[in-house]
Amino acid sequence: QKEVEQNSGPLSVPEGAIASLNCTYSDRGSQSFFWYRQYSGKSPELIMFIYSNGDKEDGRFTAQLNKASQYVSLLIRDSQPSDSATYLCAVKERAGFQKLVFGTGTRLLVSP
Amino acid sequence: EADIYQTPRYLVIGTGKKITLECSQTMGHDKMYWYQQDPGMELHLIHYSYGVNSTEKGDLSSESTVSRIRTEHFPLTLESARPSHTSQYLCASSVGGDTGELFFGEGSRLTVL
Repeated sequence: QKEVEQNSGPLSVPEGAIASLNCTYSDRGSQSFFWYRQYSGKSPELIMFIYSNGDKEDGRFTAQLNKASQYVSLLIRDSQPSDSATYLCAVKERAGFQKLVFGTGTRLLVSP
Repeated sequence: EADIYQTPRYLVIGTGKKITLECSQTMGHDKMYWYQQDPGMELHLIHYSYGVNSTEKGDLSSESTVSRIRTEHFPLTLESARPSHTSQYLCASSVGGDTGELFFGEGSRLTVL
């Protein structure tokens, strides 16, 4: 089992819809979770992080965390074609260097 | 905007050549990283550094080596490139602490013929 799992997609949604991206992780003790966006041919950039159970909102983005289910999601409201990208879920290791472990990413396509 | 720079952006070389991918950051970050990413695939950590004179191998076995003689500089070297080394190499840095934010360079795309 991979440490961080995501559906590779593509997830296709029409412009204006809500896109829901999901991620599961294997280390039950993980505390810190991150969503990065990567446009084709570009480097990843951080869009949200979440540490506590529940929802965290930032503009059109909402991160949701459920530690009991080892599940983290990202909702994008009013999706725009410019949101089309690969979204990477990352989990921070608890000990040592505390590096981020990335999932394979979910490719999102928003059609006009 | 993050101040982390990679050179070259694109490199096409023949088998057996020695190459060095340069990475520099001007943010004073202690932690630096090298990731390898193939198209449509996940990021694989190949090297990381806590600070000057501290380097560690990452999760993905790599024939490359790194050095950290100065805080701002974290070059990656392949002594003898092979076609299997063809990939995108991404350098990143972080300030540490709880944010977990990595600042990535624009990447170096290596093609070994």
